This record gives sequence, structure tokens and C-alpha cells, in this order.
Amino acid sequence: EAQVTQNPRYLITVTGKKLTVTCSQNMNHEYMSWYRQDPGLGLRQIYYSMNVEVTDKGDVPEGYKVSRKEKRNFPLILESPSPNQTSLYFCASSLGALDTQYFGPGTRLTVL
Amino acid sequence: GESVGLHLPTLSVQEGDNSIINCAYSNSASDYFIWYKQESGKGPQFIIDIRSNMDKRQGQRVTVLLNKTVKHLSLQIAATQPGDSAVYFCAENPFEGTYKYIFGTGTRLKVLA
Repeated sequence: EAQVTQNPRYLITVTGKKLTVTCSQNMNHEYMSWYRQDPGLGLRQIYYSMNVEVTDKGDVPEGYKVSRKEKRNFPLILESPSPNQTSLYFCASSLGALDTQYFGPGTRLTVL
Repeated sequence: GESVGLHLPTLSVQEGDNSIINCAYSNSASDYFIWYKQESGKGPQFIIDIRSNMDKRQGQRVTVLLNKTVKHLSLQIAATQPGDSAVYFCAENPFEGTYKYIFGTGTRLKVLA
């Protein structure tokens, strides 16, 4: 089944404790992206990747890192999480940058 | 989930009627637009897209209209069904040498039986 998977689905952590949210797609998509969703603000793009080893900033990259060592995986790294990073995070992938994006199920992160 | 739906503009429509959801986009240079549907507890799901060289595109029960003069996008849903109840987002790709996406804040559609 073609899908985008994220892990974990739910995470509660404390300020400053490094964490990684994994994202994987099985559709051989070149474009992958991370978004955060907050009440009243819609989805905001954090980072995106056009292909392996090619990443670029979205609108809200501060406090986040990404890597794209393999085509199928695009982990989101929070080196030192803060409470303002409490949010619902979505990973998405598409064949190319201007193609239909398929979203994962979301990761709800709470930083205390 | 439900919490991201707070404070959203809401459109209530009688089952069987047509729905029109509007979106104003930000950049006159944007060349690709998408409508997504998000049901409670799920990730956004693609509905329909349109490129800037078109004014209208139709899918199954959905039509997207693009008015570049006033930077306005609309989604029309014909014969609205209870399963259409969700939050709807428009998104644009403001091509400025990048492939970023900007999403609208969303509209909640409620279908009344």
C-alpha cells in the first residue's frame, strides 16, 4: 500500500531533550516536506527536500533540522525542543515539487 | 485533530446543496494551487489542483475556479454529502525560485442533514 508513515504518533517530552520524528514513504517520491499545524494558523512549512541531499527552508525552520540521506526517509530533528514547538506535525511527499502531496497521519508533540 | 479546527470560519450547508469555499492567495506570481480536505484526526488529503494558466478545473463533484486578477481561488462542491464535512485548505506554490508551499488557515464545512 502506498503510504507515508510517521513515528512516533504521539510524543510528550521536556524542554531541551533532543528528539527525532521519522518520516518514510514507499512511493519513490523525490519531494518530501515537513509541516506544523497550529490552531488558527493552518499548516506552515518547516523544511522541504527536492531529492537526496537537497534540502531547503520553508517558512518556519527555526529550531528544526532535517536530513535526506535516502530517498524514502526524511527525519525531522529537534536538537533542543522548546514549549513553542508543541504542535501537530505532518510529513508529506510527492513525485515532484509541483505534484500531489500525500500526507502522513501526523505526530502530536508536546514539549513541557 | 479537533484542536486545529478551533476559531476557523465555518460554512454550514444543507445536505444536497452546493458548497462554495473561498480562498484569497498572497502572491500574484504563484503558479500552482491545491485544495486539501482534512478530516478530524487525519492528515490533509488532496482534492484538486489547478495551474495558473487555467481558470477552471473540474473533478468528480468538485470544481476549482482561479481568478488571478483578484488573487482568489474557490472550491465548489456539488450535491454536498455528510462525508464532505471537514476542514478545507487552499495552498499555493509561490514560485520565487523555491518550491515552498503556503497554506491558508482553513474553512470548516458542516453538512446539515
